[in-house]
Amino acid sequence: QVQLVQSGSELKKPGASVKVSCKASGYTFTSYAMNWVRQAPGQGLEWMGWINTNTGNPTYAQGFTGRFVFSLDTSVSTAYLQISSLKAEDTAVYYCARDGLWFGELSAFDIWGQGTMVTVSS
Amino acid sequence: QSALTQPASVSGSPGQSITISCTGTSSDVGSYNLVSWYQQHPGKAPKLMIYEGSKRPSGVSNRFSGSKSGNTASLTISGLQAEDEADYYCCSYAGSSSNWVFGGGTKLTVL
Repeated sequence: QVQLVQSGSELKKPGASVKVSCKASGYTFTSYAMNWVRQAPGQGLEWMGWINTNTGNPTYAQGFTGRFVFSLDTSVSTAYLQISSLKAEDTAVYYCARDGLWFGELSAFDIWGQGTMVTVSS
Repeated sequence: QSALTQPASVSGSPGQSITISCTGTSSDVGSYNLVSWYQQHPGKAPKLMIYEGSKRPSGVSNRFSGSKSGNTASLTISGLQAEDEADYYCCSYAGSSSNWVFGGGTKLTVL
């Protein structure tokens, strides 16, 4: 079935880096964009940006430039989110979600990963 | 890009209908028919309930419906059931510079 499976929870110290993976299966990886969404504890959903799975071109939302990097490995149908110089306020659940807006498919986040909890604490 | 505005909470009794509003601007909700709604139970990933304003994905109950008027989109849930108790988020496309913007979320309590 169509699914996105993310890597497991991470506990990191301030200043460290983390790389979260999102592996797609059950569909053609390059037929949908991949988005990243953050949810801080007790807070709402925040769109971080997306990556074009055909070109590898990333687009970052305001507030997610500089320390955040989206990347792909299309050979294994996997998207990555890397966060560097981690701060306590980066503590959140990070979700990947596909959308088909620019690919002629359903224009919404129809499939979500299960989420990856990243905790930043000394 | 500012978040879309949703009420913090709504409630209803089983069998009743409720409506959750989502107010944006002429740059997002008002300009595109690309509003979607997501249901999120505690500790779970969001689930798509409505897309492109009023369309339901396969498998979503027809008790859920979406609409839009001007800069405000709405989600209506009819015949409330206990399992509808969850957080609901709206989301709208906001153009190529901002792409997607979420609402702040609404907690639905089934009394």
